[in-house]
Amino acid sequence: EDQVTQSPEALRLQEGESSSLNCSYTVSGLRGLFWYRQDPGKGPEFLFTLYSAGEEKEKERLKATLTKKESFLHITAPKPEDSATYLCAVLPYGNNRLAFGKGNQVVVIP
Amino acid sequence: GAGVSQSPRYKVAKRGQDVALRCDPISGHVSLFWYQQALGQGPEFLTYFQNEAQLDKSGLPSDRFFAERPEGSVSTLKIQRTQQEDSAVYLCASSLLGGGDNEQFFGPGTRLTVL
Repeated sequence: EDQVTQSPEALRLQEGESSSLNCSYTVSGLRGLFWYRQDPGKGPEFLFTLYSAGEEKEKERLKATLTKKESFLHITAPKPEDSATYLCAVLPYGNNRLAFGKGNQVVVIP
Repeated sequence: GAGVSQSPRYKVAKRGQDVALRCDPISGHVSLFWYQQALGQGPEFLTYFQNEAQLDKSGLPSDRFFAERPEGSVSTLKIQRTQQEDSAVYLCASSLLGGGDNEQFFGPGTRLTVL
């Protein structure tokens, strides 16, 4: 069974204090790994897709990396508007079902 | 252009009632997905449509759950004889192309509370 574990579950950061979120996964064959951002009361918003180990993608203060067993979402010099829950999901070969982790809840304090 | 919309945004049902949740995907999007999100959890896959065809319904928790997309656009998720454990946010997502490996655009969700 495909499994996604995210850590830490919750994180409080001072504005400007860089940190990393971890997504560990087990999947029979990885077709893609996705990062989404979810604000309270809203649906998830797409951030990145990573397909192969060694791949990296960046968007503003966020950078996602991928290895064969885990992905990291690095937040550089975060701002209060980066406060959100970050969701990691894997898509295995053979079906179209995204398997999500529980999320990393990030609060950035001004 | 408009994003994915869902209605109602909030629904309170008494145990045993039937409910219908509506999803309006982005126009022209081929794929449509339904997810269930419990408090403090990530979304869990329920079902997947490619146009009007329901290609995967393996995530539906029981035969009380039924989804349709008859004309390949609007979709309805129906829950019969609701139970308290059905309380959750139901999210709909659409993507431009077929398959699960494309960016999914999510609606705001319908929060269902079963009393």
